Amino acid sequence: KQEVTQIPAALSVPEGENLVLNCSFTDSAIYNLQWFRQDPGKGLTSLLLIQSSQREQTSGRLNASLDKSSGRSTLYIAASQPGDSATYLCAVSNTGNQFYFGTGTSLTVIP
Amino acid sequence: GAVVSQHPSRVICKSGTSVKIECRSLDFQATTMFWYRQFPKQSLMLMATSNEGSKATYEQGVEKDKFLINHASLTLSTLTVTSAHPEDSSFYICSPLGDNTEAFFGQGTRLTVV
Repeated sequence: KQEVTQIPAALSVPEGENLVLNCSFTDSAIYNLQWFRQDPGKGLTSLLLIQSSQREQTSGRLNASLDKSSGRSTLYIAASQPGDSATYLCAVSNTGNQFYFGTGTSLTVIP
Repeated sequence: GAVVSQHPSRVICKSGTSVKIECRSLDFQATTMFWYRQFPKQSLMLMATSNEGSKATYEQGVEKDKFLINHASLTLSTLTVTSAHPEDSSFYICSPLGDNTEAFFGQGTRLTVV
């Protein structure tokens, strides 16, 4: 069964800093990987989707990389802002439908 | 991205009552619906998978008679928590799947059973 781990569990940075969130998964035979943002008590917002054949995806200040062979993905956030404060979830899919989620990284960006 | 509507967003109910959660895919047809739940400080865990017009498949440890799932149309699925107890208090979230493999999620429902 796929297991997804996210490190660190919590992170606090001053505004303007660049930061990296890490995600690892045990079964490298994934179909795709997706990063989400979850605000307190709310649903999920999809940030970036990486197909298994891709190495990275970028959207604005966000860049996600995928190293399937080593079972790792990173989410890079450039020039962090207080509005980036949220929990970031990494999820992998082996078949293209059901996702396995990590426990998330709680990010606080201090003004 | 696709629009998914889930409601209610929050519900408080008395122990022993039933609660129905609705999930609608507003601009695409969802052949498959996933229902997840998230306990505090834990990850989202898949509860069940349903295909339109078929019975749901439940994950190990999830009681099918307690969590009733109906997926009668391609745009609507419901999850009913029957005879709710305090331990059912959780965050429930639906994820409809259309033709592509990008996952979309509802806004989630925070259920509190008192």
